[in-house]
Amino acid sequence: QVQLQESGPGLVEPSQTLSLTCTVSGGSISSGTYFWSWIRQPAGQGLEWIGRVYKSGGTNYNPSLASRVSLSVESSKNQFSLQLRSVTAADTAIYYCARHVVAAGLDYFDSWGQGALVTVSS
Amino acid sequence: DIHLTQSPSSLPAFIGDRVSITCRAGQDINRFVNWYQHKPGTAPKLLIYSASTLQSGVPSRFSGSGSGTEFTLTISSLQPEDVATYYCQQSYTALLTFGGGTQVEI
Repeated sequence: QVQLQESGPGLVEPSQTLSLTCTVSGGSISSGTYFWSWIRQPAGQGLEWIGRVYKSGGTNYNPSLASRVSLSVESSKNQFSLQLRSVTAADTAIYYCARHVVAAGLDYFDSWGQGALVTVSS
Repeated sequence: DIHLTQSPSSLPAFIGDRVSITCRAGQDINRFVNWYQHKPGTAPKLLIYSASTLQSGVPSRFSGSGSGTEFTLTISSLQPEDVATYYCQQSYTALLTFGGGTQVEI
């Protein structure tokens, strides 16, 4: 069974870049027709989809964040990564990575990481 | 964006109760709705996809129904381990969105 684990700094200063990595185990990031997504949840708020990356490096982003987000995949390490630029306190949230099944009319997140809390503060 | 409204936001219940959570979409989204269970500090878990298909390994007391703009997640007999927050999510549009969540408590 595939497992995902987020890692990265828990504290980022305002205006800096938030960087997180998701390590996939129990399966290859390059196999199948999966996308790999990032989702976040600010404290006391709902879930917000950030974007997704395919094994080829192709990406789709939430328009509300597209100007500040970059997703990438590193197949040799079985990892994919999130960079969010020019962060503010509003970007403080738990960040989740997830495997995204997209095939034959199906579209859902079937495996998630436990989440990484990132606080934006000086 | 397609807005999803979940109700109720909080659902107190007893062990053994049949509980239902509703998710309403701002427009017709066919059957492109998924349901997740989330317990604090853990990875969210997929329960139902495509409105009514039970994910492998999920207990049969969970079921989903609906199409168009109204969807329901039902737990036929609430168990202690079902205490969690439940979210619906739509995949009808490329911009994926989630409902606000329903906290089920005993």
